[in-house]
Parts: sequence; C-alpha cells; structure tokens
Amino acid sequence: DGGITQSPKYLFRKEGQNVTLSCEQNLNHDAMYWYRQDPGQGLRLIYYSQIVNDFQKGDIAEGYSVSREKKESFPLTVTSAQKNPTAFYLCASSVSRNTEAFFGQGTRLTVV
Amino acid sequence: GQSLEQPSEVTAVEGAIVQINCTYQTSGFYGLSWYQQHDGGAPTFLSYNALDGLEETGRFSSFLSRSDSYGYLLLQELQMKDSASYFCAVRGTGNTPLVFGKGTRLSVIA
Repeated sequence: DGGITQSPKYLFRKEGQNVTLSCEQNLNHDAMYWYRQDPGQGLRLIYYSQIVNDFQKGDIAEGYSVSREKKESFPLTVTSAQKNPTAFYLCASSVSRNTEAFFGQGTRLTVV
Repeated sequence: GQSLEQPSEVTAVEGAIVQINCTYQTSGFYGLSWYQQHDGGAPTFLSYNALDGLEETGRFSSFLSRSDSYGYLLLQELQMKDSASYFCAVRGTGNTPLVFGKGTRLSVIA
C-alpha cells in the first residue's frame, strides 16, 4: 500500500539531547514537508523540500535540521538548540505544486 | 509571504449547515485546499479550488473567489463525527510551500 510513514509514534528524550524523527513515503512524491503542531494550534512549517538534495527553511526552522538524500526519505533532527521541542510533529508529501498533501500519523515528542 | 485567517471556533447543531471562512494572502496563487483533523490524528485532505466557484464533494463543498482572496468550506447535514478542526491551506506559485491557517475547531452539538 502506498503511503507516508512516521516513526516512532511517541518519543521521549531528555533535555539537551538531539533526536531524529523518521519520515518515509512510497508515493513517488517530489515534495515533502515537516510541520509542528502545538495544542490547539495550527500547523507551522519547519522545513520543506521540493526535490532530492534540496530543502528550504520554513517559518520556524531554528533549532531543527533536515536532509533529503533520497526521494523517499526526509528525516527531521530536533537539536538541543530548539528551546521548546515538546510538540506533535507531522510529515507530509505531495506532488510538486499540488495542494493535496498526504500526512503521516505524526510523532508526539516529549522532552523532559 | 503567505498567510491565512480563519475563525478559531464554530459551533453548530447536528443536521444543520455550517460555513467556515478563510481569507488569504499569498505571492501568486496556485490553489486553496481544505483539510480535516480529528483530535490526536493527522490532517486529511477534503477539497481543492484553483478556479473561482463552488466544488462539491458529497456533504462538503468548497468555494473560492480569487479576486477577494477568500474561500469557504460548507458542511451540510452535519453529523457528530464532523466535530474536528478544519484547516485551509494555500500554495503560491513557484517554489513556495503549502502553508496552513491556524484551523477552525468545529463542535457539532445535538
């Protein structure tokens, strides 16, 4: 089945540790996105990538890093520089220049 | 840049009709889309408008006026399961990303 997979679903980390969230898609989509969602809030764009080996910062990129070495994969690293990392992280993919995005089930990160 | 405005909360009665409005600002315009998200879940795509007018998909319809930078989502025959957050999203032209509004929380009451 085609889809987009995020892992893990729940993640706990100690403050000061870097953590990498996985996002894999087999939809053959060129564009991939990372969004952050806080309770009762909308989706804020962290990073996006329209093509392999290229990505751009979104509105809240500080404290995060990404890579896009393969079309299928777009991992997000939450670094220790991110001051308030506890949130729900959503990965999405789409055909380029299309407004229909497919989302993974999300990773709920808790930093203690 | 791109930005969107939509009401934060709407309450409606089961069986009724509700309209959720969205205004946007974008550099160029490629399309406006709508997503539904239930608590704890991921957003799912509902509809898309690239041209002015109304698009209908079952109980849901979406409208766009490009000259007014405005759209709305219309939900008919509301059911309790429609209680969720609804997001409008816009993409500009060129290498611009898909940007979401802050969402409208719809509560359907008996």
